[in-house]
Amino acid sequence: GQQLNQSPQSMFIQEGEDVSMNCTSSSIFNTWLWYKQDPGEGPVLLIALYKAGELTSNGRLTAQFGITRKDSFLNISASIPSDVGIYFCAGQDEAGSARQLTFGSGTQLTVLP
Amino acid sequence: ETGVTQTPRHLVMGMTNKKSLKCEQHLGHNAMYWYKQSAKKPLELMFVYSLEERVENNSVPSRFSPECPNSSHLFLHLHTLQPEDSALYLCASSPEVYTEAFFGQGTRLTVV
Repeated sequence: GQQLNQSPQSMFIQEGEDVSMNCTSSSIFNTWLWYKQDPGEGPVLLIALYKAGELTSNGRLTAQFGITRKDSFLNISASIPSDVGIYFCAGQDEAGSARQLTFGSGTQLTVLP
Repeated sequence: ETGVTQTPRHLVMGMTNKKSLKCEQHLGHNAMYWYKQSAKKPLELMFVYSLEERVENNSVPSRFSPECPNSSHLFLHLHTLQPEDSALYLCASSPEVYTEAFFGQGTRLTVV
């Protein structure tokens, strides 16, 4: 089955800095999703991408669907304390039984004051 | 009330107990899912329902038994669990099966 490699596993940044994280897959995806999970809560959908090359923003968050369709990037600009949490990528292809969402292992983000 | 709601939020059970997790979605979605989230591991898909029909069972042990009485409600019945089953159990729904998932807040399960 597909594998998703999400990096980095964790990040410690200063408040106000920009953040970048990415996911790469071993196969081509038709959909990329980015979620954020706060402690003790379920993941919340941040951005959905459906087309290679697509660049979508949600406030200070920007995500891109890679041209190769095997990767995606999430950028957070001017980080603030409430950005703390775990960020997950998820991808989906439509090949047979592989239509399930495949999730990355997450990037744990810590914002230092 | 909107979104996906899970109850209880926390559950501690013994290995011989029987308990059930409940999920309700108010989004008008046609698909519902159970995921297991363990520390340091990616989300694991357990079960998928589309219009109350189970379409996926990812090799989940029989001590986990799902039930979907209608497209808005999903249950996970638990019996004779093991300590390694302790995890956060997440319910999700999506407009159609395998489209973007919207998650509930999860049930933190501890098996003692």
